Amino acid sequence: GNSVTQMEGPVTLSEEAFLTINCTYTATGYPSLFWYVQYPGEGLQLLLKATKADDKGSNKGFEATYRKETTSFHLEKGSVQVSDSAVYFCALYILTGGGNKLTFGTGTQLKVEL
Amino acid sequence: DTGITQSPRYKITETGRQVTLMCHQTWSHSYMFWYRQDLGHGLRLIYYSAAADITDKGEVPDGYVVSRSKTENFPLTLESATRSQTSVYFCATSFFAGASTDTQYFGPGTRLTVL
Repeated sequence: GNSVTQMEGPVTLSEEAFLTINCTYTATGYPSLFWYVQYPGEGLQLLLKATKADDKGSNKGFEATYRKETTSFHLEKGSVQVSDSAVYFCALYILTGGGNKLTFGTGTQLKVEL
Repeated sequence: DTGITQSPRYKITETGRQVTLMCHQTWSHSYMFWYRQDLGHGLRLIYYSAAADITDKGEVPDGYVVSRSKTENFPLTLESATRSQTSVYFCATSFFAGASTDTQYFGPGTRLTVL
């Protein structure tokens, strides 16, 4: 079946540090890939997405490139801020006829300190 | 309120009681979803609905019942709550499920504790 594996957290960084959160996937077919972010006390919201190999999704300084050869979609940001502290979820979607069903990773908590 | 609202935001109940969590959207999105979020599991799909009167099981449907008589509402009922159903529950919507790029929009969540 389809699955998403994320690096375990929490990840603790100092402000302005470089961020990488690893995400790899297993899927039959060609999935679309997503990163969702959950700020404390809130629901998830879409951060970025990519729908085919070599696509790069980007938003708010975050980037992720769809790497089919390594089945990966790692999230990166060049300089994190305290306001980026949140839980980040990698997810995949494959059109199977069963509707828009996302498969999520377990989430990675990011803590950014001054 | 516009968007997705969930009620109650917090609920404490006892084992064996029936509990209904409400989800309401103002966008007229076709698809609605219920997830539960548990540490170490991420989000897992409980049920989803493609339209009014059309529902289907997700990954973890046992112990839950849903209905969707109106497009805007998608209540989730725990018929006889168990401690293992203690979790944070999220409702989500999407406009159209046929597109691989379609975004899901999430509500603020309901934190349920079963004693």
